[in-house]
Amino acid sequence: GQQLNQSPQSMFIQEGEDVSMNCTSSSIFNTWLWYKQDPGEGPVLLIALYKAGELTSNGRLTAQFGITRKDSFLNISASIPSDVGIYFCAGRHGTNAGKSTFGDGTTLTVKP
Amino acid sequence: NAGVMQNPRHLVRRRGQEARLRCSPMKGHSHVYWYRQLPEEGLKFMVYLQKENIIDESGMPKERFSAEFPKEGPSILRIQQVVRGDSAAYFCASSPLEIYEQYFGPGTRLTVT
Repeated sequence: GQQLNQSPQSMFIQEGEDVSMNCTSSSIFNTWLWYKQDPGEGPVLLIALYKAGELTSNGRLTAQFGITRKDSFLNISASIPSDVGIYFCAGRHGTNAGKSTFGDGTTLTVKP
Repeated sequence: NAGVMQNPRHLVRRRGQEARLRCSPMKGHSHVYWYRQLPEEGLKFMVYLQKENIIDESGMPKERFSAEFPKEGPSILRIQQVVRGDSAAYFCASSPLEIYEQYFGPGTRLTVT
C-alpha cells in the first residue's frame, strides 16, 4: 500500500525558533495536505497544495509541494507555545480523490 | 455553521459486543470518510461514502466492519463482535465535493475491555 515517510518523528525546540518537517512518498500525489492535531481532537487543516512547485503560506506557516510530486515540507517560523501538537502530512491521488494517505506525524514540543 | 459532529466521544465495549459510531457531516456536505487512528500513528483510511452509496471501502477490514450513509440521518460505522485490537480513535470527515478539503470531527475513542 501507499507509504508516507514523515520526519522528524518528534522535535523539541525553544520558543522563537523556526521548525521544518517533511514528507516523502514512494508514489506521486496530486494534492498534499498538512494538518495539526491537538490531544483528544480531530485533525485541523492548515495548508492544502494542489500544484507541483506550489509554495503556500498561512500566517507563520509555509508549505511547498515538491517538484517531483513525491514530497512536501512544512515550515513554522518564530514558534510559540500554542504550536505544540502533532503535525500530519497527507497525500491524495487524482483517481482516488476521496481517500487521503497520512504520515505518522511529527510531535512538536515548544519550550517557553 | 456547525462542524462535523461525532458521537459518542468515548465508547467502552466488552469483547464480543457491537459498537456503533455516528457521524453527522457539515451542513451541505454529502461526502463522508471514516479513518482509524492507533496511538502514536497517523490516520488510516477506512471507507468513503456518498449518500446511500459506498464509493471506496478499500481500507475496511473484510469482516465485522460495515458503514452506511443513509438518505436521512448520520453516517454509521458499525463494528460487530469487537476485539481488543479494535480499540482506537475513529474519525469521520466530510466534504462538499470529492476534490475539496475534508473537515474532521472530534473523533470517537473506542475502548474494548
